[in-house]
Amino acid sequence: DVVMTQSPLSLPVTLGQPASISCRSSQSLVHSDGNTYLNWFQQRPGQSPRRLIYKVSNRDSGVPDRFSGSGSGTDFTLKISRVEAEDVGVYYCMQGTHWPSITFGQGTRLEIK
Amino acid sequence: QVQLVQSGAEVKKPGSSVKVSCKASGGTFSSYAISWVRQAPGQGLEWMGRIIPILGIANYAQKFQGRVTITADKSTSTAYMELSSLRSEDTAVYYCARDSPGPYSSGWNYWGQGTLVTVSS
Repeated sequence: DVVMTQSPLSLPVTLGQPASISCRSSQSLVHSDGNTYLNWFQQRPGQSPRRLIYKVSNRDSGVPDRFSGSGSGTDFTLKISRVEAEDVGVYYCMQGTHWPSITFGQGTRLEIK
Repeated sequence: QVQLVQSGAEVKKPGSSVKVSCKASGGTFSSYAISWVRQAPGQGLEWMGRIIPILGIANYAQKFQGRVTITADKSTSTAYMELSSLRSEDTAVYYCARDSPGPYSSGWNYWGQGTLVTVSS
């Protein structure tokens, strides 16, 4: 299985400040069709996960533009330009390239300092 | 608006089986796939498998091969996940989510509300 490694695992951030989460994969996530199926999810306390970003950098409908995704190959980043209180939760990266073995990162817990 | 509504919480004995349902509304059920993802208490997300209803073809994560069966009933737009030989480590919230049918996954933008399965003697 492809191992997804996130860092940091805990991320205390001051309101209004930026935040960044790294996600590295043990193998390239470039699919044979040319796409890179690296996706990001947010899980607020007590809620189902919600997809924020798909295929590295595509923001889902309704996701604030302070969230952005970037990266290539094995190295990816989720950035929040200015953290708001509603951003508290756990963030997961997930690879869907190496089908049918879908794997997630361990999760990064974002909290407000 | 796409909605996925799952069956209610279950309490099961070790060694037994559980079957969780996921009823879809809005959108074309057979055009998509349904994935199942679980989350043990305080833990991360774990993909279990997926079915393409129009084809009736299911794929499973290696960890669950032989213990999980995912099926779909096109007539009722309902997918099912059955997990057998339950052990305490299977205590988790089980989610269904709408997926694309290709040999890849862009993740899931529609999720069920989750079903808590508790395995306890």
